[in-house]
Amino acid sequence: AQSVTQLGSHVSVSEGALVLLRCNYSSSVPPYLFWYVQYPNQGLQLLLKYTTGATLVKGINGFEAEFKKSETSFHLTKPSAHMSDAAEYFCAVSGHTGNQFYFGTGTSLTVIP
Amino acid sequence: GAGVSQSPSNKVTEKGKDVELRCDPISGHTALYWYRQRLGQGLEFLIYFQGNSAPDKSGLPSDRFSAERTGESVSTLTIQRTQQEDSAVYLCASSPSGGRAPYEQYFGPGTRLTVT
Repeated sequence: AQSVTQLGSHVSVSEGALVLLRCNYSSSVPPYLFWYVQYPNQGLQLLLKYTTGATLVKGINGFEAEFKKSETSFHLTKPSAHMSDAAEYFCAVSGHTGNQFYFGTGTSLTVIP
Repeated sequence: GAGVSQSPSNKVTEKGKDVELRCDPISGHTALYWYRQRLGQGLEFLIYFQGNSAPDKSGLPSDRFSAERTGESVSTLTIQRTQQEDSAVYLCASSPSGGRAPYEQYFGPGTRLTVT
């Protein structure tokens, strides 16, 4: 079975500071990896995904994530936080059948002006 | 184009009553998922439909929960004899298929269910 762990249910950063949201997965084979963002009172939106190839993946709004197989990690980063980045972020994995997705418990990001 | 829509957006019901939640996926998307999101928690997989295949019901928490999908269109999630622990946001997602996995999921805004 696959699982996803997001360290830190709440993260606060100052505006302009680095954003780092952690995600580790448990899988017998490298899965497909995703980051979703959920703004208040909205549905989840895909930020970025890793399938194969380049391990550094760039997404929307300046976010990127790096797949590190040796660390079974897929941490999300953004060099400079903006107030509009305040949201809930979810890491997810799926197997290669694309059948079922497993989500982490989410990290709430607060950006302090 | 239109995204995934869900109705109602909010539902308040009394304990013991049945509720039906509706999901309209993006046209042409063959896969449809239901998730439950309890307050402060992650998404909990409930059920997955793919085309005309038998649905994957492995995530349904009890036999009070059921879901149907008509072809590749609308899906309804039914909760019978609701309990207070059923209070949550119920999210629906659809995705295209064909070609290579993974199939990106497109989420609806959710239905917030409150059982009093």
